[in-house]
Amino acid sequence: AQTVTQSQPEMSVQEAETVTLSCTYDTSESDYYLFWYKQPPSRQMILVIRQEAYKQQNATENRFSVNFQKAAKSFSLKISDSQLGDAAMYFCAYRSAFYEKLTFGTGTRLTIIP
Amino acid sequence: KAGVTQTPRYLIKTRGQQVTLSCSPISGHRSVSWYQQTPGQGLQFLFEYFSETQRNKGNFPGRFSGRQFSNSRSEMNVSTLELGDSALYLCASSLAAARDIQYFGAGTRLSVL
Repeated sequence: AQTVTQSQPEMSVQEAETVTLSCTYDTSESDYYLFWYKQPPSRQMILVIRQEAYKQQNATENRFSVNFQKAAKSFSLKISDSQLGDAAMYFCAYRSAFYEKLTFGTGTRLTIIP
Repeated sequence: KAGVTQTPRYLIKTRGQQVTLSCSPISGHRSVSWYQQTPGQGLQFLFEYFSETQRNKGNFPGRFSGRQFSNSRSEMNVSTLELGDSALYLCASSLAAARDIQYFGAGTRLSVL
């Protein structure tokens, strides 16, 4: 079974600074997807970024980028120029290329300090 | 385009009752997945429906069931409610294949008293 581990329950960063959230996973599959989802107090899970395992290039979405290390099974999220609206719970998630099921980590609560 | 809609947003039930939650996917999406979110267990996969058929199922007791209608709308039912069923229930929809992105609704907060 696949597992996803987020070892940082809470993180804080000064507004406009850069922060990195960590995620490791375990799988025996070779074809899969990794995601970072954001869950603000409104509860709606919002997709931040997606990485396809067969792509070596790290995904980037505006201020959000990932460091995908397939051999190390590591998938960290870097948020540049942090904004107050980035405050939320961030979940790392794994999905096999063959099934819809998402396996989530326990989440990291990110606080932005004005 | 409207997002994933879950109703109701909040629900209060007592132990032993049953409850039905509803999820309307994004137009054109044929796959609907359900997740349970609790402080203790985190986010856990319940099941996934595609074209009115359950394709995948998580590790939950048989009290948890679901179905999908021909218009892709899905319902989740929990019978004989227990206190531990109190949770946020999230629904996600995607086009069809596992390679497609899942989009989530705002969830239904169920409280069992």
